[in-house]
Amino acid sequence: KAGVTQTPRYLIKTRGQQVTLSCSPISGHRSVSWYQQTPGQGLQFLFEYFSETQRNKGNFPGRFSGRQFSNSRSEMNVSTLELGDSALYLCASSQGTGDYEQYFGPGTRLTVT
Amino acid sequence: KNEVEQSPQNLTAQEGEFITINCSYSVGISALHWLQQHPGGGIVSLFMLSSGKKKHGRLIATINIQEKHSSLHITASHPRDSAVYICAVYGGSQGNLIFGKGTKLSVKP
Repeated sequence: KAGVTQTPRYLIKTRGQQVTLSCSPISGHRSVSWYQQTPGQGLQFLFEYFSETQRNKGNFPGRFSGRQFSNSRSEMNVSTLELGDSALYLCASSQGTGDYEQYFGPGTRLTVT
Repeated sequence: KNEVEQSPQNLTAQEGEFITINCSYSVGISALHWLQQHPGGGIVSLFMLSSGKKKHGRLIATINIQEKHSSLHITASHPRDSAVYICAVYGGSQGNLIFGKGTKLSVKP
């Protein structure tokens, strides 16, 4: 089976712009979770989608949003980018919602200038 | 205080040494995960455990639910084990993975 893929792998944006990141889960996996990783805060949970529904959301401002499509692919969007949004954004897929083993993608490294 | 604490933060070992990384958590959990992250960012799930002990090759993970503590052991360490090891728990009030800050391991030949 192909692993989790994320596009793009690298992105440079300017403060105030918006960005959309994409995640394709492992075939058959219906849950996709998104995480932000920064040197200061480490890994933090953004949100989880299961069967096109947001199941859970972390403590991030409303500028961070996401969605999941019927084929389980997921996108996350960050609007009005701030310098502090520079981070590695990781998605992970799993077979179900809840405490399942998660399979991580390679991440998208976003730099905001 | 963070809900998931790891120690040490940094660890340097000589090839062949036995390594232990510790993880303590303060929330009620259903399972604990050990993850490995190599330079470049990719994360691999090593173990998911809710009780006892699991072994995979040279890696051993143990958990003590009563003491809210887990350890990851690496026997006969090798330079390719150099990576950041992250402990994560599923539980607490949020119902999602909560991560430790990671332990950066460097194994010298």
